[in-house]
Amino acid sequence: NAGVTQTPKFRVLKTGQSMTLLCAQDMNHEYMYWYRQDPGMGLRLIHYSVGEGTTAKGEVPDGYNVSRLKKQNFLLGLESAAPSQTSVYFCASSRGRTGWSRTEAFFGQGTRLTVV
Amino acid sequence: AQTVTQSQPEMSVQEAETVTLSCTYDTSENNYYLFWYKQPPSRQMILVIRQEAYKQQNATENRFSVNFQKAAKSFSLKISDSQLGDTAMYFCAFASNTNAGKSTFGDGTTLTVKP
Repeated sequence: NAGVTQTPKFRVLKTGQSMTLLCAQDMNHEYMYWYRQDPGMGLRLIHYSVGEGTTAKGEVPDGYNVSRLKKQNFLLGLESAAPSQTSVYFCASSRGRTGWSRTEAFFGQGTRLTVV
Repeated sequence: AQTVTQSQPEMSVQEAETVTLSCTYDTSENNYYLFWYKQPPSRQMILVIRQEAYKQQNATENRFSVNFQKAAKSFSLKISDSQLGDTAMYFCAFASNTNAGKSTFGDGTTLTVKP
């Protein structure tokens, strides 16, 4: 019963490098989200998806791209990493549909990304 | 846009005592959900308790309870009989029922339970 799994858990990038963070959920959830968490701050929404093949921008989307080719996977890409993207990244999913099931999020364990 | 404010960056409490964490939010919506999440040093985000805005009764979950004041847009978390394992950062979150379930988080309160 894995829930939400993020890969990798840690990564160090050089400025200008690219990488992809993978999020996989095995709960058949409709909605998936990518958040970033900076020191002393709460989570801020980067991008989200309400179903396979769909994506939408969140609060802080610049510098990131996402794809949801399969329902269970949500990928976050950084095309040209910058030091300002040093953060902890969380993926989350929710059952979707209506009511509280749409809003209660299940989180992965986070990815600590450092851009030097 | 919704905002969530947690005015207490850090708090501490003695083991076995009671502590209350504050949260206020701002929204023009009437149908929404509120959550408290716990983030221990392991970094895992764990749902502690949730409240549906249309319910007047305050949610409770074992030692955790909320005081939901809809008119005042206030949603505080009370932890009774505090345990060392309660040491964590606590986030208050708002989610609209009409906005793809996206959550808006407060900046968190770091709670330390002292032996």
